[in-house]
Amino acid sequence: AQKVTQAQTEISVVEKEDVTLDCVYETRDTTYYLFWYKQPPSGELVFLIRRNSFDEQNEISGRYSWNFQKSTSSFNFTITASQVVDSAVYFCALSEATSGSRLTFGEGTQLTVNP
Amino acid sequence: NAGVTQTPKFQVLKTGQSMTLQCAQDMNHEYMSWYRQDPGMGLRLIHYSVGAGITDQGEVPNGYNVSRSTTEDFPLRLLSAAPSQTSVYFCASSSPHRGSYEQYFGPGTRLTVT
Repeated sequence: AQKVTQAQTEISVVEKEDVTLDCVYETRDTTYYLFWYKQPPSGELVFLIRRNSFDEQNEISGRYSWNFQKSTSSFNFTITASQVVDSAVYFCALSEATSGSRLTFGEGTQLTVNP
Repeated sequence: NAGVTQTPKFQVLKTGQSMTLQCAQDMNHEYMSWYRQDPGMGLRLIHYSVGAGITDQGEVPNGYNVSRSTTEDFPLRLLSAAPSQTSVYFCASSSPHRGSYEQYFGPGTRLTVT
Protein backbone atom coordinates (compact mmCIF):
# COMPACT_ATOMS: atom_id res chain seq x y z
CA ALA A 1 0.00 0.00 0.00
CA GLN A 2 1.15 3.51 -0.66
CA LYS A 3 1.91 5.93 2.14
CA VAL A 4 3.11 9.51 2.46
CA THR A 5 4.68 10.88 5.61
CA GLN A 6 5.22 14.52 6.45
CA ALA A 7 6.94 14.36 9.80
CA GLN A 8 6.91 18.11 10.40
CA THR A 9 3.49 19.03 11.73
CA GLU A 10 4.27 22.71 12.19
CA ILE A 11 7.15 24.96 11.21
CA SER A 12 7.57 28.58 12.20
CA VAL A 13 10.16 30.84 10.59
CA VAL A 14 10.92 34.51 10.33
CA GLU A 15 10.49 36.24 7.01
CA LYS A 16 13.43 35.85 4.59
CA GLU A 17 14.55 32.59 6.16
CA ASP A 18 14.83 29.53 3.93
CA VAL A 19 12.65 26.58 4.95
CA THR A 20 12.49 22.96 3.81
CA LEU A 21 9.40 20.81 4.09
CA ASP A 22 10.08 17.10 4.20
CA CYS A 23 8.11 14.38 2.42
CA VAL A 24 8.85 10.65 2.53
CA TYR A 25 6.79 8.16 0.59
CA GLU A 26 6.28 4.42 0.27
CA THR A 27 5.12 2.61 -2.83
CA ARG A 28 5.61 -0.73 -4.54
CA ASP A 29 5.06 0.66 -8.01
CA THR A 30 7.97 1.61 -10.22
CA THR A 31 5.84 4.23 -11.96
CA TYR A 32 4.31 6.84 -9.72
CA TYR A 33 3.74 10.56 -9.43
CA LEU A 34 4.43 12.95 -6.61
CA PHE A 35 2.66 16.21 -5.97
CA TRP A 36 2.81 19.22 -3.68
CA TYR A 37 -0.27 21.28 -2.88
CA LYS A 38 -0.59 24.50 -0.93
CA GLN A 39 -3.65 25.25 1.22
CA PRO A 40 -3.72 28.90 2.29
CA PRO A 41 -5.94 30.09 5.15
CA SER A 42 -8.77 30.63 2.66
CA GLY A 43 -8.99 26.84 2.35
CA GLU A 44 -8.61 26.07 -1.34
CA LEU A 45 -6.04 23.59 -2.60
CA VAL A 46 -3.45 25.06 -4.93
CA PHE A 47 -1.42 22.74 -7.14
CA LEU A 48 2.32 23.48 -6.99
CA ILE A 49 4.16 20.70 -8.78
CA ARG A 50 3.92 17.19 -10.22
CA ARG A 51 6.94 14.91 -10.63
CA ASN A 52 7.04 11.44 -12.16
CA SER A 53 9.22 8.64 -10.83
CA PHE A 54 11.46 8.58 -13.88
CA ASP A 55 12.46 12.22 -13.63
CA GLU A 56 14.83 12.85 -10.75
CA GLN A 57 15.88 16.28 -11.90
CA ASN A 58 15.46 18.91 -9.25
CA GLU A 59 13.15 21.72 -10.18
CA ILE A 60 13.18 25.39 -9.37
CA SER A 61 10.32 27.80 -9.82
CA GLY A 62 11.07 31.25 -8.49
CA ARG A 63 11.59 30.94 -4.73
CA TYR A 64 10.35 27.33 -4.75
CA SER A 65 12.53 24.30 -5.38
CA TRP A 66 11.99 20.58 -5.12
CA ASN A 67 14.51 17.83 -4.40
CA PHE A 68 13.40 14.36 -5.53
CA GLN A 69 15.58 11.46 -4.39
CA LYS A 70 14.40 7.94 -5.21
CA SER A 71 17.22 6.40 -3.18
CA THR A 72 15.70 7.81 0.00
CA SER A 73 12.07 7.93 -1.21
CA SER A 74 11.92 11.62 -0.51
CA PHE A 75 10.47 14.61 -2.29
CA ASN A 76 11.39 17.67 -0.27
CA PHE A 77 10.20 21.20 -0.89
CA THR A 78 12.29 24.30 -0.16
CA ILE A 79 11.10 27.89 -0.02
CA THR A 80 13.91 30.39 -0.32
CA ALA A 81 13.60 33.81 1.31
CA SER A 82 10.20 33.00 2.79
CA GLN A 83 7.45 35.59 2.84
CA VAL A 84 4.39 36.04 5.03
CA VAL A 85 2.21 35.04 2.07
CA ASP A 86 3.85 31.61 2.13
CA SER A 87 2.04 30.87 5.38
CA ALA A 88 -0.18 27.89 4.61
CA VAL A 89 -0.58 24.17 5.03
CA TYR A 90 1.47 22.23 2.50
CA PHE A 91 0.56 18.73 1.42
CA CYS A 92 2.68 16.15 -0.31
CA ALA A 93 0.76 13.49 -2.25
CA LEU A 94 1.44 10.29 -4.20
CA SER A 95 -0.36 8.65 -7.06
CA GLU A 96 0.60 5.24 -8.36
CA ALA A 97 0.27 4.56 -12.08
CA THR A 98 -1.88 1.53 -11.29
CA SER A 99 -4.27 3.56 -9.15
CA GLY A 100 -5.08 6.11 -11.79
CA SER A 101 -6.13 9.42 -10.34
CA ARG A 102 -6.35 8.40 -6.72
CA LEU A 103 -4.09 10.46 -4.49
CA THR A 104 -2.67 9.49 -1.12
CA PHE A 105 -1.90 12.59 0.93
CA GLY A 106 0.50 13.20 3.75
CA GLU A 107 -0.78 14.75 6.95
CA GLY A 108 0.35 18.20 5.93
CA THR A 109 2.82 20.73 7.34
CA GLN A 110 1.56 24.02 8.73
CA LEU A 111 4.08 26.70 7.80
CA THR A 112 3.91 30.03 9.57
CA VAL A 113 6.12 32.85 8.34
CA ASN A 114 6.37 35.66 10.84
CA PRO A 115 7.22 39.23 9.82
CA ASN B 1 -14.36 27.36 -17.63
CA ALA B 2 -15.71 27.33 -14.11
CA GLY B 3 -13.51 24.33 -13.30
CA VAL B 4 -14.79 22.27 -10.36
CA THR B 5 -17.72 23.72 -8.44
CA GLN B 6 -19.14 22.53 -5.15
CA THR B 7 -22.34 23.41 -3.34
CA PRO B 8 -23.06 24.29 -0.63
CA LYS B 9 -19.98 25.94 0.85
CA PHE B 10 -21.20 25.47 4.40
CA GLN B 11 -23.77 23.13 5.90
CA VAL B 12 -24.93 22.26 9.40
CA LEU B 13 -26.85 19.02 9.90
CA LYS B 14 -28.37 17.29 12.86
CA THR B 15 -27.46 13.69 13.56
CA GLY B 16 -29.54 11.37 11.42
CA GLN B 17 -30.36 13.89 8.70
CA SER B 18 -29.48 13.17 5.10
CA MET B 19 -28.11 15.47 2.47
CA THR B 20 -26.29 15.58 -0.86
CA LEU B 21 -23.12 17.49 -1.56
CA GLN B 22 -23.03 18.60 -5.14
CA CYS B 23 -19.97 18.57 -7.40
CA ALA B 24 -19.76 19.55 -11.04
CA GLN B 25 -16.96 20.06 -13.53
CA ASP B 26 -16.96 21.52 -17.00
CA MET B 27 -13.60 20.25 -18.23
CA ASN B 28 -14.93 16.95 -19.61
CA HIS B 29 -12.70 15.04 -17.19
CA GLU B 30 -13.19 11.30 -16.94
CA TYR B 31 -12.09 10.94 -13.34
CA MET B 32 -13.83 12.46 -10.35
CA SER B 33 -13.19 11.92 -6.66
CA TRP B 34 -14.37 12.91 -3.22
CA TYR B 35 -11.97 13.52 -0.34
CA ARG B 36 -12.51 14.53 3.24
CA GLN B 37 -10.06 16.62 5.21
CA ASP B 38 -9.76 16.25 8.95
CA PRO B 39 -7.25 18.03 11.20
CA GLY B 40 -3.88 16.27 11.29
CA MET B 41 -4.94 13.61 8.79
CA GLY B 42 -4.51 15.21 5.42
CA LEU B 43 -7.09 14.36 2.78
CA ARG B 44 -8.55 10.89 2.53
CA LEU B 45 -10.32 9.42 -0.46
CA ILE B 46 -14.00 8.57 0.06
CA HIS B 47 -15.23 7.46 -3.37
CA TYR B 48 -14.08 7.91 -6.90
CA SER B 49 -15.33 7.42 -10.45
CA VAL B 50 -13.45 6.64 -13.63
CA GLY B 51 -16.36 7.55 -15.87
CA ALA B 52 -20.12 7.87 -16.10
CA GLY B 53 -21.81 4.85 -14.57
CA ILE B 54 -18.65 3.61 -12.83
CA THR B 55 -17.85 4.26 -9.18
CA ASP B 56 -15.68 2.61 -6.56
CA GLN B 57 -14.79 2.95 -2.90
CA GLY B 58 -11.80 4.77 -1.57
CA GLU B 59 -10.17 4.64 1.84
CA VAL B 60 -13.11 5.85 3.96
CA PRO B 61 -16.40 5.04 2.15
CA ASN B 62 -18.65 4.09 5.07
CA GLY B 63 -21.67 6.34 5.48
CA TYR B 64 -21.44 7.80 1.99
CA ASN B 65 -22.98 6.95 -1.36
CA VAL B 66 -22.15 8.23 -4.82
CA SER B 67 -23.43 7.89 -8.34
CA ARG B 68 -22.19 9.18 -11.66
CA SER B 69 -24.96 9.48 -14.22
CA THR B 70 -23.18 12.13 -16.29
CA THR B 71 -19.57 13.06 -16.96
CA GLU B 72 -20.10 16.46 -15.37
CA ASP B 73 -21.69 15.62 -12.03
CA PHE B 74 -20.58 13.52 -9.07
CA PRO B 75 -22.84 14.02 -6.03
CA LEU B 76 -21.94 12.67 -2.59
CA ARG B 77 -24.81 11.52 -0.39
CA LEU B 78 -24.81 11.24 3.37
CA LEU B 79 -27.67 8.90 4.21
CA SER B 80 -27.75 9.41 7.98
CA ALA B 81 -25.30 12.04 9.16
CA ALA B 82 -23.12 11.36 12.19
CA PRO B 83 -20.87 13.74 14.17
CA SER B 84 -17.87 11.75 12.87
CA GLN B 85 -18.70 13.09 9.41
CA THR B 86 -17.97 16.64 10.47
CA SER B 87 -15.23 17.58 8.04
CA VAL B 88 -14.28 19.59 4.99
CA TYR B 89 -15.16 17.82 1.77
CA PHE B 90 -13.31 18.34 -1.47
CA CYS B 91 -14.35 17.17 -4.90
CA ALA B 92 -11.70 16.74 -7.58
CA SER B 93 -11.62 15.94 -11.25
CA SER B 94 -8.74 14.84 -13.41
CA SER B 95 -7.66 13.71 -16.81
CA PRO B 96 -4.43 12.09 -17.96
CA HIS B 97 -1.57 14.50 -18.51
CA ARG B 98 1.62 12.95 -19.78
CA GLY B 99 0.76 9.77 -17.95
CA SER B 100 -0.27 11.26 -14.62
CA TYR B 101 -3.61 12.57 -13.48
CA GLU B 102 -3.40 16.18 -12.39
CA GLN B 103 -6.23 16.77 -9.96
CA TYR B 104 -8.31 19.92 -10.06
CA PHE B 105 -9.98 20.56 -6.73
CA GLY B 106 -13.19 22.35 -5.94
CA PRO B 107 -13.35 25.02 -3.21
CA GLY B 108 -14.64 22.59 -0.59
CA THR B 109 -17.75 22.16 1.54
CA ARG B 110 -17.48 22.61 5.29
CA LEU B 111 -19.93 20.26 7.00
CA THR B 112 -20.79 20.26 10.67
CA VAL B 113 -22.96 17.51 12.16
CA THR B 114 -24.36 18.24 15.61
